Amino acid sequence: KAGVTQTPRYLIKTRGQQVTLSCSPISGHRSVSWYQQTPGQGLQFLFEYFSETQRNKGNFPGRFSGRQFSNSRSEMNVSTLELGDSALYLCASSRLAGLRDTQYFGPGTRLTVL
Amino acid sequence: QQQVKQSPQSLIVQKGGISIINCAYENTAFDYFPWYQQFPGKGPALLIAIRPDVSEKKEGRFTISFNKSAKQFSLHIMDSQPGDSATYFCAANAAGSYIPTFGRGTSLIVHP
Repeated sequence: KAGVTQTPRYLIKTRGQQVTLSCSPISGHRSVSWYQQTPGQGLQFLFEYFSETQRNKGNFPGRFSGRQFSNSRSEMNVSTLELGDSALYLCASSRLAGLRDTQYFGPGTRLTVL
Repeated sequence: QQQVKQSPQSLIVQKGGISIINCAYENTAFDYFPWYQQFPGKGPALLIAIRPDVSEKKEGRFTISFNKSAKQFSLHIMDSQPGDSATYFCAANAAGSYIPTFGRGTSLIVHP
């Protein structure tokens, strides 16, 4: 069974630009969650999507948004990039909604904002 | 505000030794406590999880000990192996919101 895949793996952008990251969950998984990982703040929950609906949202500004498609694939968008947005963005999938089910993480997308 | 405090930040253990990582929380609404293992270049992977109705859970060489009154929980890795070298994160999920709060992580190095 293929794992969670994230594209691209590495990305370099400049301040003010916007970026879209993609996540393909494990086949059969309908929940996709996004996390930001930085040395300073650690792992922080961004949001969760289940059946194309946002179910939970962390404490991030509105510049961070996401969506989920009917095939459960998800995208995350960050607009007006800031230097502090440089981070590893992780996607995780699970069968059930609500973040209680075992989450399987992808390898992440390393975003660098210059 | 750090709701889950994890210590130590780094840990060096000899092969065969016991690795112990501790976490403390403040929010009494937390009711699910998973531990994750992360290798360089990889995403975290669920290692073991516990709910507050039990004081200990063991899976192979990995054991979670939970002290509800002290609001602390810890991960013990018995017979530590070089392959256990990774970063370990504790987390806590609150009933209702389910949003996880993570500790800052512990970098474990097991020397051969």
